[in-house]
Amino acid sequence: AQSVAQPEDQVNVAEGNPLTVKCTYSVSGNPYLFWYVQYPNRGLQFLLKYITGDNLVKGSYGFEAEFNKSQTSFHLKKPSALVSDSALYFCAVRDRYNFNKFYFGSGTKLNVKP
Amino acid sequence: EAQVTQNPRYLITVTGKKLTVTCSQNMNHEYMSWYRQDPGLGLRQIYYSMNVEVTDKGDVPEGYKVSRKEKRNFPLILESPSPNQTSLYFCASSPLSANYGYTFGSGTRLTVV
Repeated sequence: AQSVAQPEDQVNVAEGNPLTVKCTYSVSGNPYLFWYVQYPNRGLQFLLKYITGDNLVKGSYGFEAEFNKSQTSFHLKKPSALVSDSALYFCAVRDRYNFNKFYFGSGTKLNVKP
Repeated sequence: EAQVTQNPRYLITVTGKKLTVTCSQNMNHEYMSWYRQDPGLGLRQIYYSMNVEVTDKGDVPEGYKVSRKEKRNFPLILESPSPNQTSLYFCASSPLSANYGYTFGSGTRLTVV
């Protein structure tokens, strides 16, 4: 079955430290990969995507993500976390050939402490 | 500003009373979809539409209806709401191409008592 896994329900990091939010997927073909962020009482906002090319993708608010085809992973990273980065993060995978198949992970809550 | 607009943001209703959640987008997107978000379950697709008068079921369509009479609008209809439909609902839209992500609405928090 096609799926997206975010193995950590919650990630805690101190402000100024690097952060990683993990995502692995099991979707056939060469899907397109996305990260979204959700702040309290808000909709999901687009952060970044991987379509093709360089495995390191840069996005909004200083976030980046590393695509690893052999491990089918797309981990979200940031070199120096801010308290304002605290939010819920969703990894998503869209089937390249069947675009109505858009799979979301269950979300990871990022807590950045001062 | 490019956006997806949902109304209402919050709704409390009683079991069995029909309701409609509206969704409108101003980006001329062909594709629109409804999701519900529940703790620990992430986002689950309810229905989607690839264009006017073209709709199809997602993963959890039971108890919901949709219509797409105009390109910009995609209302979600609960004919007889039940407490298990208490959830946070999102409308989303995108062009008809997989390399685009969604633009999401701000969400509708529905409580059915």
